[in-house]
Amino acid sequence: GAGVSQSPRYKVAKRGQDVALRCDPISGHVSLFWYQQALGQGPEFLTYFQNEAQLDKSGLPSDRFFAERPEGSVSTLKIQRTQQEDSAVYLCASSRLETQYFGPGTRLLVL
Amino acid sequence: AQRVTQPEKLLSVFKGAPVELKCNYSYSGSPELFWYVQYSRQRLQLLLRHISRESIKGFTADLNKGETSFHLKKPFAQEEDSAMYYCALSPIISGNTPLVFGKGTRLSVIA
Repeated sequence: GAGVSQSPRYKVAKRGQDVALRCDPISGHVSLFWYQQALGQGPEFLTYFQNEAQLDKSGLPSDRFFAERPEGSVSTLKIQRTQQEDSAVYLCASSRLETQYFGPGTRLLVL
Repeated sequence: AQRVTQPEKLLSVFKGAPVELKCNYSYSGSPELFWYVQYSRQRLQLLLRHISRESIKGFTADLNKGETSFHLKKPFAQEEDSAMYYCALSPIISGNTPLVFGKGTRLSVIA
């Protein structure tokens, strides 16, 4: 079946621009996670949802980061006023039980 | 605080040689440990988890609570094993919680 999909796959933004990253989880997966992966690092947790409820957003680096999952399916990660340090790969994962299935990621480059 | 340490950024071995990718963790409770793998141009995918005690693609990993380690081993490396390997921790066994990843080890198998 279809896996987790993310769009866009690549995004170049000018510093100060707002961006929105989309995640389509596997159908029926209740939990959805966002991770940030900087160059040469492992993925780091940002936030996660169970259905439409955002249960933990402790990993969001600043109040410029905002995530939503209004209908318990598709999720959007929004970054306002992007900074160069926001450049990274943003990974989305979904799960029904214990195993998290990852999307291909969105590579964000802020110039 | 939860932390996963992978001391080697790069590990090069010859085809047919044994492989051991090191992973140490710090966590006061009883975590669940995972190994994820990312092949070139592919998404991050689960290789194995300690609770299932499976051998996947010839790889095994034993959780050593005394040494807080979860090293990944394979007796005979194959060229197709070349990839990026990430060790990860979940604070709850069989729980659907955010993962804490190490920085990863790149395995290069030389023909």
